[in-house]
Amino acid sequence: ETGVTQSPTHLIKTRGQQVTLRCSSQSGHNTVSWYQQALGQGPQFIFQYYREEENGRGNFPPRFSGLQFPNYSSELNVNALELDDSALYLCASSGGLAGITDTQYFGPGTRLTVL
Amino acid sequence: KNEVEQSPQNLTAQEGEFITINCSYSVGISALHWLQQHPGGGIVSLFMLSSGKKKHGRLIATINIQEKHSSLHITASHPRDSAVYICAVRSSGNQFYFGTGTSLTVIP
Repeated sequence: ETGVTQSPTHLIKTRGQQVTLRCSSQSGHNTVSWYQQALGQGPQFIFQYYREEENGRGNFPPRFSGLQFPNYSSELNVNALELDDSALYLCASSGGLAGITDTQYFGPGTRLTVL
Repeated sequence: KNEVEQSPQNLTAQEGEFITINCSYSVGISALHWLQQHPGGGIVSLFMLSSGKKKHGRLIATINIQEKHSSLHITASHPRDSAVYICAVRSSGNQFYFGTGTSLTVIP
């Protein structure tokens, strides 16, 4: 058990809608990263937040946005949902700058289906 | 072309066999990660490497920075090792890149 939780577990939306996914990091973890994993593919990096500031972003459009809160929780917001947004969304937290000083602890993911 | 390439894509082994999964990358990196993903999505971080070798139980990970190559070895494989193994790198430009994974099945 990593101590990282995500909600909801599953979600069904229709094209054009907006969605908010939530992640609760381990206490004391300052860094959270969000990833999108399409079926049969490896994860794709969306962005990373460190101490509530965006600290790196992958090749995703601005309709993917995020927030990190002082209580070690974070959100991924996706506007104007498209069919291709259907995927497993994973968050991962670490105590320091993930990938340099600390390993990442992954949550179980939220499976989003866009109809 | 993907920044991270893994081989093989699929691997079937008999219990007890020694297994090697390879990862090559094309970007400058600050660290390389080996991850294990079980059916249903749960991902566990196995190793984070920036040089040399690390060992944890039956798992060994090595990295050659000059050759931009890493290997994950599993000794005395067991059916519970069946999972998808993913190589991921954090680039010098603060991006994460993932391989598409190696699906391992260990047969009793």
